[in-house]
Amino acid sequence: NAGVTQTPKFRILKIGQSMTLQCTQDMNHNYMYWYRQDPGMGLKLIYYSVGAGITDKGEVPNGYNVSRSTTEDFPLRLELAAPSQTSVYFCASSHGGGPTDTQYFGPGTRLTVL
Amino acid sequence: GEDVEQSLFLSVREGDSSVINCTYTDSSSTYLYWYKQEPGAGLQLLTYIFSNMDMKQDQRLTVLLNKKDKHLSLRIADTQTGDSAIYFCAERAGGGNKLTFGTGTQLKVEL
Repeated sequence: NAGVTQTPKFRILKIGQSMTLQCTQDMNHNYMYWYRQDPGMGLKLIYYSVGAGITDKGEVPNGYNVSRSTTEDFPLRLELAAPSQTSVYFCASSHGGGPTDTQYFGPGTRLTVL
Repeated sequence: GEDVEQSLFLSVREGDSSVINCTYTDSSSTYLYWYKQEPGAGLQLLTYIFSNMDMKQDQRLTVLLNKKDKHLSLRIADTQTGDSAIYFCAERAGGGNKLTFGTGTQLKVEL
């Protein structure tokens, strides 16, 4: 199993550009998550999904959109990139949403908006 | 509101014990977690503790929970250079599935 994979690893965007961060998991997990990690800060939840076709906002959803058309994929879209979105983005998945359901993290995408 | 705080840095010598501390504010926390993040990688769950427990031991890792003071610690015995990483504590409040992460403690292990 590859686990959780994310592409790209790095990206530089200009203000106002758009892009999609890709996330795929091959563990047949129902739950998937997008987090952002700002320098010196903990992770903050952007969006999550409890299954194909179902998504919900996390703590910091503004400026982002997600979709979950399949169990495996959970792309995160930035429509109008802003410098405040410079961050490292992590995708994660878990079998269920219970407290002992381990979240498995991808390696992250480092995004810089100039 | 929810807030989780950690000291930013810790430096220890190889073979010594490391103790990483965390304080949280949400009294409804049910589970508390420790994650490890190695350079360039995602977070990896190390261990977790349920809020009705005081201690949990797993090989070289010992988690202590003082619920009265809302204080959580992670002790790593016989710290090795491979333990150098950033360690995050996280809490899960009530019945929700949202995790609140601390700012992370960077552990540096020196020879």
